[in-house]
Amino acid sequence: GAVVSQHPSWVICKSGTSVKIECRSLDFQATTMFWYRQFPKQSLMLMATSNEGSKATYEQGVEKDKFLINHASLTLSTLTVTSAHPEDSSFYICSARTGTMVTEAFFGQGTRLTVV
Amino acid sequence: GQQVMQIPQYQHVQEGEDFTTYCNSSTTLSNIQWYKQRPGGHPVFLIQLVKSGEVKKQKRLTFQFGEAKKNSSLHITATQTTDVGTYFCAGRGTSYGKLTFGQGTILTVHP
Repeated sequence: GAVVSQHPSWVICKSGTSVKIECRSLDFQATTMFWYRQFPKQSLMLMATSNEGSKATYEQGVEKDKFLINHASLTLSTLTVTSAHPEDSSFYICSARTGTMVTEAFFGQGTRLTVV
Repeated sequence: GQQVMQIPQYQHVQEGEDFTTYCNSSTTLSNIQWYKQRPGGHPVFLIQLVKSGEVKKQKRLTFQFGEAKKNSSLHITATQTTDVGTYFCAGRGTSYGKLTFGQGTILTVHP
């Protein structure tokens, strides 16, 4: 199946700093990428949907100025957590699919963010 | 908005016992997918169901999609310790719509 690579797999940062997470589709062109957040032992909550070359669509309650999403190419989307606080600590996962791909979403490995 | 409820939240079984997790949507779904997530890992796609009343099997796993396309189930026969993890259902209201995940069922298997 298709491969989605997410980097870094874990990061620890200080409160007030910004962290960038990358999501790459390695063997297909991802016209759409999704960013999820997952708290321990909880479900995946969709944060935003990004289409290549256009602004991301954020889910209700997600601060677009805090979670900056850029999908500048068909193989790369980035999520930047700005001015991170301890409550932003979580597991962030991206997924990707092409415009013709309706069967499944391929997930990255996830990024464990800890803000201290 | 669309809501997907999944039960039970936890299931502990002895190795060899069967396991079932159920998924219910507040609205009719275009399709439903099932994922498995191992502890510390990311969701891995298992299967997609599209047709009303569809039943699909993968070795010891049986997936069903309800006639009304609002509910689904995953049944594992004779569980093994390798089956441990969290099983999520995820539904789409339209073919290209976003996935709404259920809360997941955490399965533990005691040898």
